[in-house]
Amino acid sequence: AQKITQTQPGMFVQEKEAVTLDCTYDTSDPSYGLFWYKQPSSGEMIFLIYQGSYDQQNATEGRYSLNFQKARKSANLVISASQLGDSAMYFCAFSNTGNQFYFGTGTSLTVIP
Amino acid sequence: NAGVMQNPRHLVRRRGQEARLRCSPMKGHSHVYWYRQLPEEGLKFMVYLQKENIIDESGMPKERFSAEFPKEGPSILRIQQVVRGDSAAYFCASSPLPGTMSNQPQHFGDGTRLSIL
Repeated sequence: AQKITQTQPGMFVQEKEAVTLDCTYDTSDPSYGLFWYKQPSSGEMIFLIYQGSYDQQNATEGRYSLNFQKARKSANLVISASQLGDSAMYFCAFSNTGNQFYFGTGTSLTVIP
Repeated sequence: NAGVMQNPRHLVRRRGQEARLRCSPMKGHSHVYWYRQLPEEGLKFMVYLQKENIIDESGMPKERFSAEFPKEGPSILRIQQVVRGDSAAYFCASSPLPGTMSNQPQHFGDGTRLSIL
């Protein structure tokens, strides 16, 4: 069974600082994808970034980057230059050749002015 | 440039009533997924549909829950005889490709918050 773990229920970061949100996964599949979503207080799910298991380089999207360590089975999200609007829940998700995403329990990020 | 559209945004039902949740996928997407999010939890997969077909319903409770995606019109998640434990946010997602591989993320709607009195 696939398993995805986010061990940080809540995180605080000072505005303009960088923050890392942890995500680990457990799978024996060689081919899979890892996704990060942001869920602000308004409730919608916003796609942030994707990393494929065969990708040689870490994914980056603007201020978001994914620190992918395949041997350790971790896919941590790094947000640089935090902004107040980054305050939200962040979910890591795993997918393989199946039909569904497996979501972690989320990390609540609060950006402090 | 419409994304995934879900309605209603909020739905209140009394125990024993039926709840119908609607989802219109993004234009060009023929793959629809339903997820449930309980308070303080991540999203849990319920069902995956293509037009007129249920592909995977392994996450859906065997009783009271059903889903369809007809040839015309939105996908419907139907909950019969609702109970307090059905209170949750229900999200619909769509994708242009089957399954979840490649760099095509599932695009989510804003969800329907179902409250059972």
